[in-house]
Amino acid sequence: GQSLEQPSEVTAVEGAIVQINCTYQTSGFYGLSWYQQHDGGAPTFLSYNALDGLEETGRFSSFLSRSDSYGYLLLQELQMKDSASYFCAVEDYNQGGKLIFGQGTELSVKP
Amino acid sequence: KAGVTQTPRYLIKTRGQQVTLSCSPISGHRSVSWYQQTPGQGLQFLFEYFSETQRNKGNFPGRFSGRQFSNSRSEMNVSTLELGDSALYLCASSPTGGRRGTTEAFFGQGTRLTVV
Repeated sequence: GQSLEQPSEVTAVEGAIVQINCTYQTSGFYGLSWYQQHDGGAPTFLSYNALDGLEETGRFSSFLSRSDSYGYLLLQELQMKDSASYFCAVEDYNQGGKLIFGQGTELSVKP
Repeated sequence: KAGVTQTPRYLIKTRGQQVTLSCSPISGHRSVSWYQQTPGQGLQFLFEYFSETQRNKGNFPGRFSGRQFSNSRSEMNVSTLELGDSALYLCASSPTGGRRGTTEAFFGQGTRLTVV
């Protein structure tokens, strides 16, 4: 089967850097995605890694190590509006490419 | 371009009843996936439809079913509702359904179902 593990909650202060880790187990791996969800809102796509390395999009970066079945989302220059839940998701080709989500990490940004 | 639209936004039903939720994907998107979201359980995959065919199914009982129409709109149905079915039901559309790197899924705002 598939499983993803990420911390349930993280707290950081405005302006700081925070890293949210995700480890996964899946039989057929295409890539790792990250989604952000504000309370009561729709999850929105942040990034996708299919190959090892770092992908940077503005203040957010995502990293993948396929050999370690590990990835992380790095948020820099934290702002209050970054307080949200962050989900990693794997795309599993043995499951028809469907997205399997982790439990989510609730990020609280304090002033 | 209009986003993913889910109706209704909120619903209250009684145990034993059935419910139908609707999802209109982004124009041109042929894949629609459904997820159940509950506190502490994250997003649990229900099923995916592509070109009117169910392409993937999660580990939910047969009370949960869905379908997709020729215009890619999708409905999901839950029969004989139980208290534990109370959740946020999210629909996501994508052009091809996440095959080989086309993984960005666009989510609707969800339908908040409360079973009493």
